[in-house]
Amino acid sequence: DIQMTQSPSSLSASVGDRVTITCQASQDISNYLNWYQQKPGKAPKLLIYDASNLETGVPSRFSGSGSGTDFTFTISSLQPEDIATYYCQQYDNLPIFTFGPGTKVDIK
Amino acid sequence: EVQLVESGGGLVQPGGSLRLSCAASGFTFSSYSMNWVRQAPGKGLEWVSYISSSSSTIYYADSVKGRFTISRDNAKNSLYLQMNSLRDEDTAVYYCARDSWRSSGLFDYWGQGTLVTVSS
Repeated sequence: DIQMTQSPSSLSASVGDRVTITCQASQDISNYLNWYQQKPGKAPKLLIYDASNLETGVPSRFSGSGSGTDFTFTISSLQPEDIATYYCQQYDNLPIFTFGPGTKVDIK
Repeated sequence: EVQLVESGGGLVQPGGSLRLSCAASGFTFSSYSMNWVRQAPGKGLEWVSYISSSSSTIYYADSVKGRFTISRDNAKNSLYLQMNSLRDEDTAVYYCARDSWRSSGLFDYWGQGTLVTVSS
């Protein structure tokens, strides 16, 4: 099975800062990588699909890049409403869909 | 507006059974594959099960294979998860999630979740 790792596990940044989260797959998953945002007590929300495509309605300060085994998620200018846990998820290895352990983002 | 509303969660003893439901609205339910994803308290997300639009293809995570059964009723716009032989480690919020039209494994809409607690 494909294992997903994320780093850091948590971070604290100031409003307006650029925030970067990395996700690594244990084997090549091409670009079959999605990013979700989960706010406390809420369901996850799809932000980025196929590594770099912004889901409809998602603010452009969110972006993703990468392919193969190494991926990056970026918030260009952190806003207070971005406080959440962010998960990467692979869907290359059907029928198993694997999430990363998550990165908790806080405001400093 | 796409809506997914889960129900059926609750407290059950180890070894017991529970049936979760997910009522869908705002889209053509019969055209989309569906999934169950769970989240143990304070933990990350774990995909549980997948069912294709016609129920012809079904997948399970190894952790629930042989104990859980996913099904759907397209006439009732509903998704189900029958959970048997429940264990402590099945305690979690269970979400139903719709597969995007783009691809299986791309979850574009989620319900609010229903909490299952397995405890004696």
